[in-house]
Amino acid sequence: EAQVTQNPRYLITVTGKKLTVTCSQNMNHEYMSWYRQDPGLGLRQIYYSMNVEVTDKGDVPEGYKVSRKEKRNFPLILESPSPNQTSLYFCASSLVSGARETQYFGPGTRLLVL
Amino acid sequence: QQQVKQSPQSLIVQKGGISIINCAYENTAFDYFPWYQQFPGKGPALLIAIRPDVSEKKEGRFTISFNKSAKQFSLHIMDSQPGDSATYFCAARGDFGNEKLTFGTGTRLTIIP
Repeated sequence: EAQVTQNPRYLITVTGKKLTVTCSQNMNHEYMSWYRQDPGLGLRQIYYSMNVEVTDKGDVPEGYKVSRKEKRNFPLILESPSPNQTSLYFCASSLVSGARETQYFGPGTRLLVL
Repeated sequence: QQQVKQSPQSLIVQKGGISIINCAYENTAFDYFPWYQQFPGKGPALLIAIRPDVSEKKEGRFTISFNKSAKQFSLHIMDSQPGDSATYFCAARGDFGNEKLTFGTGTRLTIIP
């Protein structure tokens, strides 16, 4: 079954305590990305990756890091979380085949930073 | 600066009616315009997408209409059903290779019997 998995699904942490949210896809997609979703603001792209070792900033990259050492994994790292990073986070992967693009989102990670 | 403006914020449509959600964009370099459907507690799902070389794309009951000169695109849901009740997001992006995807703020659609 094609899927994008995220862990953990829920996380409560304190300001300044480093955390990593993992993302993994089993579809051999080259493109992966991270988004955050906040009420009234919709989804905003944090980082994206076109392939292994290729990453670039989205609209809201401040306070986040990513890495893409393997094609299937794209972890999101918060080195020093702050309360304004409390949000719902989604990972996604995509494949373009001819004119058709297929995209899958993970189930989301709800983060609360105290 | 919001590059993709979506309206309305919420929409109530009677079962069997047509639901219409509109989006407008500013960046003429955008080359790919997807719509997403999100149910409560779930991640977004790619619903339908269009590129500016066509003015309309239809998949089942879902149609995207695209007006390049006006920099607007809209989602039409024909014969709306209660199961269509969800939040819908439009988005825009440059051609594949320029992967910065910008979303609208979402429309909460409710289909009433």
